[in-house]
Amino acid sequence: EDQVTQSPEALRLQEGESSSLNCSYTVSGLRGLFWYRQDPGKGPEFLFTLYSAGEEKEKERLKATLTKKESFLHITAPKPEDSATYLCAVQAWEYGNKLVFGAGTILRVKS
Amino acid sequence: DGGITQSPKYLFRKEGQNVTLSCEQNLNHDAMYWYRQDPGQGLRLIYYSQIVNDFQKGDIAEGYSVSREKKESFPLTVTSAQKNPTAFYLCASREVLAGGPGELFFGEGSRLTVL
Repeated sequence: EDQVTQSPEALRLQEGESSSLNCSYTVSGLRGLFWYRQDPGKGPEFLFTLYSAGEEKEKERLKATLTKKESFLHITAPKPEDSATYLCAVQAWEYGNKLVFGAGTILRVKS
Repeated sequence: DGGITQSPKYLFRKEGQNVTLSCEQNLNHDAMYWYRQDPGQGLRLIYYSQIVNDFQKGDIAEGYSVSREKKESFPLTVTSAQKNPTAFYLCASREVLAGGPGELFFGEGSRLTVL
């Protein structure tokens, strides 16, 4: 059973069309939830860490939020350069020092 | 600049050969990790190391081996026992914080293709 699930698998947006990506998790004892951006053929680039329900972080057009069972990555007025795969990862007490990753959401923003 | 360097970026291997992927970091991080990425799947943990001369198996360690002789270096060997080694391999490191989790920093990856 997947413990970190991202949806949708792929998302196509027009430039300027805001939307949200979802990361749901079933772990207990969350220590941290991480969002990454990955461009094709590159390593993931760190975006945000969220530690507790209710926490929010922002960076340019991206805003990450966290509840007890899921996190959202909101993209406001996206641009073509926001096209990438967005990964979320969870660290929990039951995993020790390991992070568990979701499969990612492939975002394409067309001009 | 501080960062993680993986080499080679592309590698081709014949069946039955062992290959070693290099990972070097100058971030002074204690912990280092190797992940495998396949299309449509999340990153899967192969091995990780929290300290020099110690490492633990991840979720898919069979057919792989590692060493951690220096803090800066964590090479991964893909052995002939790995049945499906064609994949994108990512090395990462992070600072081990007493108060909570620290984020992973990744290298640019190595793409291994078995001919």
